[in-house]
Amino acid sequence: GAVVSQHPSWVICKSGTSVKIECRSLDFQATTMFWYRQFPKQSLMLMATSNEGSKATYEQGVEKDKFLINHASLTLSTLTVTSAHPEDSSFYICSASPPGQSSYNSPLHFGNGTRLTVT
Amino acid sequence: LAKTTQPISMDSYEGQEVNITCSHNNIATNDYITWYQQFPSQGPRFIIQGYKTKVTNEVASLFIPADRKSSTLSLPRVSLSDTAVYYCLVGTRSGSARQLTFGSGTQLTVLP
Repeated sequence: GAVVSQHPSWVICKSGTSVKIECRSLDFQATTMFWYRQFPKQSLMLMATSNEGSKATYEQGVEKDKFLINHASLTLSTLTVTSAHPEDSSFYICSASPPGQSSYNSPLHFGNGTRLTVT
Repeated sequence: LAKTTQPISMDSYEGQEVNITCSHNNIATNDYITWYQQFPSQGPRFIIQGYKTKVTNEVASLFIPADRKSSTLSLPRVSLSDTAVYYCLVGTRSGSARQLTFGSGTQLTVLP
């Protein structure tokens, strides 16, 4: 089945530094990937849609200059949290789905998430 | 954008069948219904998807009435490892996840 891999699975950084999270589709090409954020005991919140070869589309309230998204290839999207602060501590999850005849309703496949802790 | 409503939590015992119902009164003609399972500190995992009537796979069944305004995920003979949050999503991708919004989910706790 379709596999989405995230790296790292957890990261601790100091306030003011930047952190990059990678999302890879291992056995399919993904022109679109999605980034979610999840706070403890809460649901997933869509942050942005990553589009291969073009700019990402951000959801309302998500700062595009703080959460930089790069989708340089059909199998890799990266999310960089710039100048991280303790309030950015969260669980970040990416997802994608294989293209093809079923793309109209094909389910999303999720990475295992990245736990970011900003001290 | 079809919103979904699920119970916040449910308890069950090992070996029982669990049914989680999701309400989606504003479902659109092109919308599919998809259920995901999420364990703590993991990404959601696809369980089952359907459009109408009944769908069954190796882990669950999905029942969708004719009006499609609700759906029921059925987990047969649950075990302790089925303790997780279950999300019902309604929508179509159309290249964007905007129409796939996660609701609050249902925390299922399976007791011994």
